[in-house]
Amino acid sequence: QQQVKQSPQSLIVQKGGISIINCAYENTAFDYFPWYQQFPGKGPALLIAIRPDVSEKKEGRFTISFNKSAKQFSLHIMDSQPGDSATYFCAATFTGTASKLTFGTGTRLQVTL
Amino acid sequence: KAGVTQTPRYLIKTRGQQVTLSCSPISGHRSVSWYQQTPGQGLQFLFEYFSETQRNKGNFPGRFSGRQFSNSRSEMNVSTLELGDSALYLCASSLMPGGNTEAFFGQGTRLTVV
Repeated sequence: QQQVKQSPQSLIVQKGGISIINCAYENTAFDYFPWYQQFPGKGPALLIAIRPDVSEKKEGRFTISFNKSAKQFSLHIMDSQPGDSATYFCAATFTGTASKLTFGTGTRLQVTL
Repeated sequence: KAGVTQTPRYLIKTRGQQVTLSCSPISGHRSVSWYQQTPGQGLQFLFEYFSETQRNKGNFPGRFSGRQFSNSRSEMNVSTLELGDSALYLCASSLMPGGNTEAFFGQGTRLTVV
């Protein structure tokens, strides 16, 4: 199975709040889990990525939490700002030159004032 | 450093026609991947090229094809267009093939089939 399930589909958070987006995967061969941010009219841009040898990775206000046993990972955006309003995609893949990114369905985040 | 350039940005085609989209990767990047993005299906992998060879292919019909040139620029072609081919087509470049190297996406080509 190559599927990556992402939730919620949309999310509204007040400025300063925490945004949480969840993803679950099925393929235990996956060993690289990036998150992409996409603004309207733009292509996705890599935000942060994690490998399963760590349970958490933090870059600024963005944190990935990874639960290998549950085959789940999540993105937390602390102190959410209006400029964070975008669509977020989780993805998963495995090491290898024949691998490809399998994306979740996306979460549209709106941060209100 | 210039980013990934996709041309044209917008296209309107009629059912049954064919279309060619172009992608110029970041200088030095030899891997180019193509994705189709639609509201219903999200981002779906089409194919990946590295050093002018197709390395991986997604689950799309044979009407979708691509190629890569010696300068790493890539084109994708869709023949006999169908209404369902309307989508944003995204190209991503990376240094090496495979999904676990950082991919940089272009702004995409918005294809509308009427």
